[in-house]
Amino acid sequence: DAGVIQSPRHEVTEMGQEVTLRCKPISGHDYLFWYRQTMMRGLELLIYFNNNVPIDDSGMPEDRFSAKMPNASFSTLKIQPSEPRDSAVYFCASRHNRVQNEQYFGPGTRLTVT
Amino acid sequence: GIQVEQSPPDLILQEGANSTLRCNFSDSVNNLQWFHQNPWGQLINLFYIPSGTKQNGRLSATTVATERYSLLYISSSQTTDSGVYFCAVENYLQGAQKLVFGQGTRLTINP
Repeated sequence: DAGVIQSPRHEVTEMGQEVTLRCKPISGHDYLFWYRQTMMRGLELLIYFNNNVPIDDSGMPEDRFSAKMPNASFSTLKIQPSEPRDSAVYFCASRHNRVQNEQYFGPGTRLTVT
Repeated sequence: GIQVEQSPPDLILQEGANSTLRCNFSDSVNNLQWFHQNPWGQLINLFYIPSGTKQNGRLSATTVATERYSLLYISSSQTTDSGVYFCAVENYLQGAQKLVFGQGTRLTINP
């Protein structure tokens, strides 16, 4: 398996622009997670899906952030409008429901908002 | 919520040395994972170890769930071991599927 795939790997945008991050989970995994990593706050969970349904979005910082999972092989995290404080590395992870409880992480998207 | 503390925050060693990284957690856990974040930022799974001991080559890990800590051992360190090591835990009663990460131990292996 190719592992969790994220795109783009790097994104530089100007404040106020819309940003869309993409994720393809490992085939057959039932859970998909979005995390954000910053120097100040470390790694924090934003939202997770089970069978394409959002289960817990309590970590989403504010209404400017939204996430969707239209099918089992694709998810997006959208920021609109973006702000400089959104600059971070965003990770997507997936997990299988019935095998071990390990989460597997993608390579991340490094977002810079100027 | 559950708290995760890792120590030491930084560790600098010479190639060939052994090291022990510690993870303390404030409540019982159903899941504990160790990750290595390499210098390119990739988070790599090392161990899934909510209890007991596991070994994988030069790396081994032990979790003593009743005493709420886990240890990661690295033997005969190599420069490629450099990076940040994270411990992450999950407590189903406090939030199923929510991995809570420690702040990490930054390991630097000098040649």
